Amino acid sequence: EDQVTQSPEALRLQEGESSSLNCSYTVSGLRGLFWYRQDPGKGPEFLFTLYSAGEEKEKERLKATLTKKESFLHITAPKPEDSATYLCAVLHTGTASKLTFGTGTRLQVTL
Amino acid sequence: GAGVSQSPSNKVTEKGKDVELRCDPISGHTALYWYRQSLGQGLEFLIYFQGNSAPDKSGLPSDRFSAERTGGSVSTLTIQRTQQEDSAVYLCASSRDRDIQYFGAGTRLSVL
Repeated sequence: EDQVTQSPEALRLQEGESSSLNCSYTVSGLRGLFWYRQDPGKGPEFLFTLYSAGEEKEKERLKATLTKKESFLHITAPKPEDSATYLCAVLHTGTASKLTFGTGTRLQVTL
Repeated sequence: GAGVSQSPSNKVTEKGKDVELRCDPISGHTALYWYRQSLGQGLEFLIYFQGNSAPDKSGLPSDRFSAERTGGSVSTLTIQRTQQEDSAVYLCASSRDRDIQYFGAGTRLSVL
């Protein structure tokens, strides 16, 4: 059974203080790893998809990386508007199309 | 270019009543998914529709839950005889085949 574990559960940063969020996964065949951002009262917003170990993607202050066992979401010089819950999910290579999600990292960036 | 639309945004019901939640996917997306998000837990897969294929119902927690998709577009998730443990946010997503899933804002269901 696919498993996704995210750490830390919560993270508080000061504006400009860079950090990384971790997503460890166990899946028999990885089709893709997805990062989403979720604001309170809203649905998850797609950020990145990574398909193979060594792949990296960037968007503004965010950079996602992938190894065979985990993914990192690096946040460089965060701003208060980056405050949100960040969700990681995996898609299996089998016929099933469901995403298996972690429980998320709740990020708060203060001035 | 509208996104995934869900209605209602909030639903309060009494234990034992039936509820229907609606999802209108992004135009042109052939795949539609329902997930449930309970407090403190990750998103939990419920059901998946792909074109005219039989739906993947493997995530439905009990036979009180059912879903249909009419005309390959709008979907309705029905929960019969609601229980307090059904209280959660129900999220719908759509995608082109097995590509990136785009989510709606969800329906917050509260069972009293």
